Formats: sequence, C-alpha cells, structure tokens
Amino acid sequence: NAGVMQNPRHLVRRRGQEARLRCSPMKGHSHVYWYRQLPEEGLKFMVYLQKENIIDESGMPKERFSAEFPKEGPSILRIQQVVRGDSAAYFCASSRGQGTYEQYFGPGTRLTVT
Amino acid sequence: LAKTTQPISMDSYEGQEVNITCSHNNIATNDYITWYQQFPSQGPRFIIQGYKTKVTNEVASLFIPADRKSSTLSLPRVSLSDTAVYYCLVGDLMDTGRRALTFGSGTRLQVQP
Repeated sequence: NAGVMQNPRHLVRRRGQEARLRCSPMKGHSHVYWYRQLPEEGLKFMVYLQKENIIDESGMPKERFSAEFPKEGPSILRIQQVVRGDSAAYFCASSRGQGTYEQYFGPGTRLTVT
Repeated sequence: LAKTTQPISMDSYEGQEVNITCSHNNIATNDYITWYQQFPSQGPRFIIQGYKTKVTNEVASLFIPADRKSSTLSLPRVSLSDTAVYYCLVGDLMDTGRRALTFGSGTRLQVQP
C-alpha cells in the first residue's frame, strides 16, 4: 500500500514563474491537507480539501496561491508568479476522514525560487 | 485558533525517559491532540493521538490533564535514532466549525550516547 506521494521532490523556479506541486493521497483517503515549512521553522497549515471541494483555506495566502483536488487525479497546489519568499518545503497529508483520523504525510516538495 | 507552545529544544541521553510538554490554552471541546516526529528532509510521522487522560502505544505515551490545556508526550528509554523534531498538533475540522489545524513550533530533541 503506497503512502502519500508528492512530486516533484525538488522544484526550482525563477521569480515570476508558476509552480505546480502534486499530491496523491494514500489509497482510500479522500481528505488532503497542505502545509508549508519554511527553513528552520515549524509546519503551517495552508488548506484542507476533499474531493472537488475546498473545506478550509484559512491558511492560504490570499493572492497567487490556489489548490484543487479534482474527482480524478492528484491534488495540486499552484503558486503563481513565485517570489523568493515562497522557497520552502511543501508537505501534503491525507486521511480517511476529518477530525480524529490520523494524517499521513508525504515526503514533501522542496521549492527553491531563484 | 488554538495556539500551541512547546520548548524549543531538549537534550537527553540514551536509555532515559523524555517528556515533552505542549501548551494549548485555547483548545476547543472537540479538539484532539496529536504528536508527530520529523527527521530532516522528511515528512512528519504520526506518533500518538489522544483526547483526554492517558493513551499508550508501542512507541510512546500521551498524558492529558483534566483541563486539557496541555499534553505531555513521553518517550521511554530513548535511543540515538529518536533524535528528531517533535510537534504537537491541535485541532478538529468540523463541517460547520472550520477550525484550522495548528502545529506547535516543534521541540528539537537531541539524544546523546
């Protein structure tokens, strides 16, 4: 049973380009969470999605960031017009349900903006 | 939002018991408390979860007092491989509540031989 998959593992973008980060949840999981971790800092919640629905995006920056979890395919976190401050590790987690269910984390995508 | 605070770092020696406390004064009635372990360049790994009193599994124990404003992760007989950052996570996303999940700032545990 494969765990949470994220790709790419490393992504380099120049300022102003777009970054697309993908997350495939564990089999049987329909809940996906995205977190950002700046260097030497803790994890910050960004967004929580179920299939075709954004449930909570209170941690997402209002501009340039968007997320989706389509009926088919992986969840995607999109960052438009990246800036140096977007450089971070982005982790995806999935769970079977909300609330008490354990979240299983992927290996993360490390975004570097040059 | 639940605000969580943890000690920044702790040092221990192999074979000792380590207790890491997380304060979450603003915890809500429905919030659960979950602890994760993170090694460098890896995603967090689930350790244990609880709601009240005491929970024990094969790797750790979690102690939660009656007021639930704090929780203590207990690692028995640590080894060098337990050197990692430990995070507490508080929150419970409800259909109507829309509470955000809040990670603590993390406690960097260094285990010495």
